[in-house]
Amino acid sequence: IQMTQSPSSLSASVGDRVTITCRASQGISSYLAWYQQKPGKAPNFLIYAASTLQSGVPSRFSGSGSGTDFTLTISSLQPEDFATYYCQQLNSYPITFGQGTRLEIK
Amino acid sequence: QVQLQESGPGLVKPSETLSLTCTVSGGPVSTSRYYWSWIRQPPGKGLEWIGNIYYSGSTNYNPSLKSRITMSLDTSKNQFSLRLSSVTAADTAMYYCASYCSIASCQSVGYNYYGMDVWGQGTTVTVSS
Repeated sequence: IQMTQSPSSLSASVGDRVTITCRASQGISSYLAWYQQKPGKAPNFLIYAASTLQSGVPSRFSGSGSGTDFTLTISSLQPEDFATYYCQQLNSYPITFGQGTRLEIK
Repeated sequence: QVQLQESGPGLVKPSETLSLTCTVSGGPVSTSRYYWSWIRQPPGKGLEWIGNIYYSGSTNYNPSLKSRITMSLDTSKNQFSLRLSSVTAADTAMYYCASYCSIASCQSVGYNYYGMDVWGQGTTVTVSS
């Protein structure tokens, strides 16, 4: 299953609301996760089941979608949110990731 | 919560076999909760799932790498390992180990989440002569 994210990169300011889109090449129900990766660090698990925040993740993060179309929204960007975000499908093997969306400071 | 730490040679020659180990602390590698996973990331690129191994020894491999991969568990050392044969420069990457709680394995032990919740810090592998 191919996962396609858009945009590939995004410039935004602290306080902005941003949305990242992830599209699956076939239906995956809600078996989608989101990860955040900062430079030089391992990915950090943010969201599972398309919309459920992992423990400890700030509530400004939210996810939605099912089937083939999904979104990750950050309601009010904080300085620590500037990173690369990846979606991941867990519906079937092989597990696949989107190509990533780099969120940069404007 | 478990912690993971990758180890292995940072430099491998072309055509040789890359061998990495992930040491698990804070919980047994023999748990039914996790599929022990490997993911890699070439420099400046995205994440690629390599495969995973379950406590039973069953494995799932990425078809693009399947012919070259072997994964194993060592319960006595609380480790799991990756071997990737016939490496080329295209295998140069940061290699991460991670714990993957699947829908079924998580529910079987009373958890409602699923995903790759714990990652090692990663180890850089360069393929070069």
